[in-house]
Amino acid sequence: DVKVTQSSRYLVKRTGEKVFLECVQDMDHENMFWYRQDPGLGLRLIYFSYDVKMKEKGDIPEGYSVSREKKERFSLILESASTNQTSMYLCASSYGGMYNEQFFGPGTRLTVL
Amino acid sequence: KNEVEQSPQNLTAQEGEFITINCSYSVGISALHWLQQHPGGGIVSLFMLSSGKKKHGRLIATINIQEKHSSLHITASHPRDSAVYICAVRSYNNNDMRFGAGTRLTVKP
Repeated sequence: DVKVTQSSRYLVKRTGEKVFLECVQDMDHENMFWYRQDPGLGLRLIYFSYDVKMKEKGDIPEGYSVSREKKERFSLILESASTNQTSMYLCASSYGGMYNEQFFGPGTRLTVL
Repeated sequence: KNEVEQSPQNLTAQEGEFITINCSYSVGISALHWLQQHPGGGIVSLFMLSSGKKKHGRLIATINIQEKHSSLHITASHPRDSAVYICAVRSYNNNDMRFGAGTRLTVKP
């Protein structure tokens, strides 16, 4: 079974803090994704990566950065957390190619106070 | 207007009922996915469709490419089917995934 894990299920941070969200997959997938999920809006893509050290902006990259130093690990970084970044963050991974089913992690519910 | 629209937003059913969740999209697609998200956040892929119909146990997914519409059906619904069901499409032009806002299904015993 494909396994995508995220470093925390729940996280509470203060405004202005630097926040790291980690995602690890064990299936040697080329592609990895970070989404945020907000009520009524569905999942929105923040960043994705199709290879080590490669990254592409998604729909809402502002306020976020990412790092992919190893194939299995994709990190989402909030340089200076703000209250409007309170959300559920979901990581996903997939093989390369057009018909690439995405496998999701359990999610991290981040609250910024 | 969202590129992927789901209806209904919320659905409450009695155990045993037949459930239908609808998804309409406005972009050309290469594939459509139905996902299930349980309380606590984990998302599981149920189906990936590019045409016709697929069945897995009590779940059936259909797609009509001409009408840009897909349905997810659950037969003999059970309380453990309670979850959020998300429709997602892969855009034909740029291969991006676009997600619906989800349908929250509650099945009462």
